[in-house]
Amino acid sequence: AQSVSQHNHHVILSEAASLELGCNYSYGGTVNLFWYVQYPGQHLQLLLKYFSGDPLVKGIKGFEAEFIKSKFSFNLRKPSVQWSDTAEYFCAVTLSGGYNKLIFGAGTRLAVHP
Amino acid sequence: DAGVTQSPTHLIKTRGQQVTLRCSPKSGHDTVSWYQQALGQGPQFIFQYYEEEERQRGNFPDRFSGHQFPNYSSELNVNALLLGDSALYLCASSLGGTSFNEQFFGPGTRLTVL
Repeated sequence: AQSVSQHNHHVILSEAASLELGCNYSYGGTVNLFWYVQYPGQHLQLLLKYFSGDPLVKGIKGFEAEFIKSKFSFNLRKPSVQWSDTAEYFCAVTLSGGYNKLIFGAGTRLAVHP
Repeated sequence: DAGVTQSPTHLIKTRGQQVTLRCSPKSGHDTVSWYQQALGQGPQFIFQYYEEEERQRGNFPDRFSGHQFPNYSSELNVNALLLGDSALYLCASSLGGTSFNEQFFGPGTRLTVL
């Protein structure tokens, strides 16, 4: 069965530190890749997505992610985090050619200290 | 433009009871998906409705059923509640349901089963 793994369950950083959150998926076919964010008390919202083309995608709030097909990975990065980035981050995939059923990872809880 | 809305916000039930959760999709959206998010885990796909029909289903028992109305709103019903059904239930809507269509999430309904 298809699955998504997020390696870090909890990450604690100081403001201005760089961030990289790992995401790997298991599926032999073509996938579409997503990062969602859930700020405290708010609903899930899309941070960025990758369908095809340039494997380096830029999202909102200075986030970017790189798709490495050979590694089945889609890691999320930000050069300098802010306190307002404190949130839970979810990596997800849909299977290309199918419906938009999202398969989520378990999430990474990020805490940024001032 | 109203986003995805869900009701109620919180619900407490006892084992064996039945529950109905409601979702109104984002304006203009015709596809509704339901997800279950247990504590500390990522959302898991329950099913998706399009044109008042269940189009795709995740690995959930028949105790979980749903409905979509002509105005695209949707209900999730869970019968014979178990303690393990305690979770945040998320509704997501999209225009169309292909793997490229972005889903917009509601705030969720927190169900507690005692």
